[in-house]
Amino acid sequence: GAGVSQSPRYKVAKRGQDVALRCDPISGHVSLFWYQQALGQGPEFLTYFQNEAQLDKSGLPSDRFFAERPEGSVSTLKIQRTQQEDSAVYLCASSSRTGVNEQFFGPGTRLTVL
Amino acid sequence: AQRVTQPEKLLSVFKGAPVELKCNYSYSGSPELFWYVQYSRQRLQLLLRHISRESIKGFTADLNKGETSFHLKKPFAQEEDSAMYYCALSGISDYKLSFGAGTTVTVRA
Repeated sequence: GAGVSQSPRYKVAKRGQDVALRCDPISGHVSLFWYQQALGQGPEFLTYFQNEAQLDKSGLPSDRFFAERPEGSVSTLKIQRTQQEDSAVYLCASSSRTGVNEQFFGPGTRLTVL
Repeated sequence: AQRVTQPEKLLSVFKGAPVELKCNYSYSGSPELFWYVQYSRQRLQLLLRHISRESIKGFTADLNKGETSFHLKKPFAQEEDSAMYYCALSGISDYKLSFGAGTTVTVRA
């Protein structure tokens, strides 16, 4: 079947705008992760969902970042009042089970804040 | 705190030569180590994980707990191995991945 999909693939926002990034995980995958990847760096963990429950949001850099997965499938990462330092690629990954398992990554959304 | 260090940003080798990508980690417990790869214009994907003890596409990696290393090796590099490689760590009872900064490998003909 289809892999993890993310939309939009590219987003340009003016500083201060709100943005919403969408992730469609592989059907039936229980676990969903968001990562932020700055230029020249490896991905950094933002938040984790097990079904609809957000079990870990320790990586969210500020209270401007909010994620949800209300029905345990599609997830949205929202960034309010974007800042230039938010410019990065945002990766979504899903896994079929809980615990440490292979994570399947989406293509990412490249966010540029002007 | 857990940390993954990949000391080489860039690695260039000739086709047929051996290639070794270094990865060191710090973790207060028993980690699970992974290598992820990103080929040009493709998404990040798992290459191998230490508990599987497999050889994937000719690559192997051995976890050395004494040296806290998980270096990736291939005896004969191929042009199709050109990619970005990330070492990553997770705790046994954890789920999130901590990534290194990545190493760009270029295999020249």
